[in-house]
Amino acid sequence: GENVEQHPSTLSVQEGDSAVIKCTYSDSASNYFPWYKQELGKRPQLIIDIRSNVGEKKDQRIAVTLNKTAKHFSLHITETQPEDSAVYFCAAGDSNYQLIWGAGTKLIIKP
Amino acid sequence: NAGVTQTPKFQVLKTGQSMTLQCAQDMNHEYMSWYRQDPGMGLRLIHYSVGAGITDQGEVPNGYNVSRSTTEDFPLRLLSAAPSQTSVYFCASSRQPNSPLHFGNGTRLTVT
Repeated sequence: GENVEQHPSTLSVQEGDSAVIKCTYSDSASNYFPWYKQELGKRPQLIIDIRSNVGEKKDQRIAVTLNKTAKHFSLHITETQPEDSAVYFCAAGDSNYQLIWGAGTKLIIKP
Repeated sequence: NAGVTQTPKFQVLKTGQSMTLQCAQDMNHEYMSWYRQDPGMGLRLIHYSVGAGITDQGEVPNGYNVSRSTTEDFPLRLLSAAPSQTSVYFCASSRQPNSPLHFGNGTRLTVT
């Protein structure tokens, strides 16, 4: 079955700098790659997603890139702000409609 | 429009007890799913459904049952609670498989 690895587990960046979180997946049939943000004690919320027929997608300060050959995808956050502090999860959706999640990255924005 | 509603918010069970976690959505979503979230492990899929009358197992289905008699409701039943089932449980729905998920607020379950 699908396996998703996410790195790093913790990322600390200075406010205003960029943050990059990387995920790799194992199943070449996976075709849907969302990113979720979870604040402490709250539910996960989608921030951006990408499908396998697209290489890059942007939404204001957030972008996701997908390399199907290498089976990895990355989340890029530019001009980080204190409200970006949270745990971020990547996931991969396979052909069996199962969404397999990475273990999460705790992003800390230092003032 | 309430979205995805989960009840209860908190529950404490003794080992061996059974209970049902309720999940309802009012967005007419075909796809519904249950996840458990444990520290440092992300979310793991327990069971999912692609429509009324259809359910299937996810990564960690043992000890749990589901049913989907209507589009709106997708209850999760713990058959005989074990301490290993202590976790936060999330129900989520989406318009179709592999599309943006809408999560409920979660149920924090403790099994003693």
